[in-house]
Amino acid sequence: RKEVEQDPGPFNVPEGATVAFNCTYSNSASQSFFWYRQDCRKEPKLLMSVYSSGNEDGRFTAQLNRASQYISLLIRDSKLSDSATYLCVASGGKLIFGQGTELSVKP
Amino acid sequence: NAGVTQTPKFQVLKTGQSMTLQCAQDMNHNSMYWYRQDPGMGLRLIYYSASEGTTDKGEVPNGYNVSRLNKREFSLRLESAAPSQTSVYFCASDEPLNTEAFFGQGTRLTVV
Repeated sequence: RKEVEQDPGPFNVPEGATVAFNCTYSNSASQSFFWYRQDCRKEPKLLMSVYSSGNEDGRFTAQLNRASQYISLLIRDSKLSDSATYLCVASGGKLIFGQGTELSVKP
Repeated sequence: NAGVTQTPKFQVLKTGQSMTLQCAQDMNHNSMYWYRQDPGMGLRLIYYSASEGTTDKGEVPNGYNVSRLNKREFSLRLESAAPSQTSVYFCASDEPLNTEAFFGQGTRLTVV
């Protein structure tokens, strides 16, 4: 079993839709959590960090539930440019990535 | 501002050949990582180095060796390449726990 697991994709949604990605981690010693975005097998880039109190950046909201060892990402009002693979990351000193969830936003 | 520089960008090897992937970062980060990415598998950690002089195995270390030459450089060596090592390899660096990790542009390796 992978240490970080994500919803299987792909997610195909129309423009303007709200889409949610979920992720679970098994290492209770994990202390930091992130969502990364990857376009077309290019290098991943940080989308946002995830905090226990939840955090929002424009159309993106991330949540962390330490008790359930669960992380989520909500994208509101999806844009064509949001099409990418979203990677969940947990860190207890080393960065462990989930397998990624592919999002395709259609006109 | 270079960030993380990885070389080479592309490589084709014959089975049994050896090669070293080079990675250097100019952000004074303590931690460095090597990942491989295969379709549907996300990024899997091969080896990481929490600080200069230390290295540790990740999820898929078999068939690889690493060297943390100094704080800036972290190399990955394939001693005897196998077709199963065909993949995209990414190097990354960060300061542990709290900050953004930065990635190199990747090395696309094919073993025939």
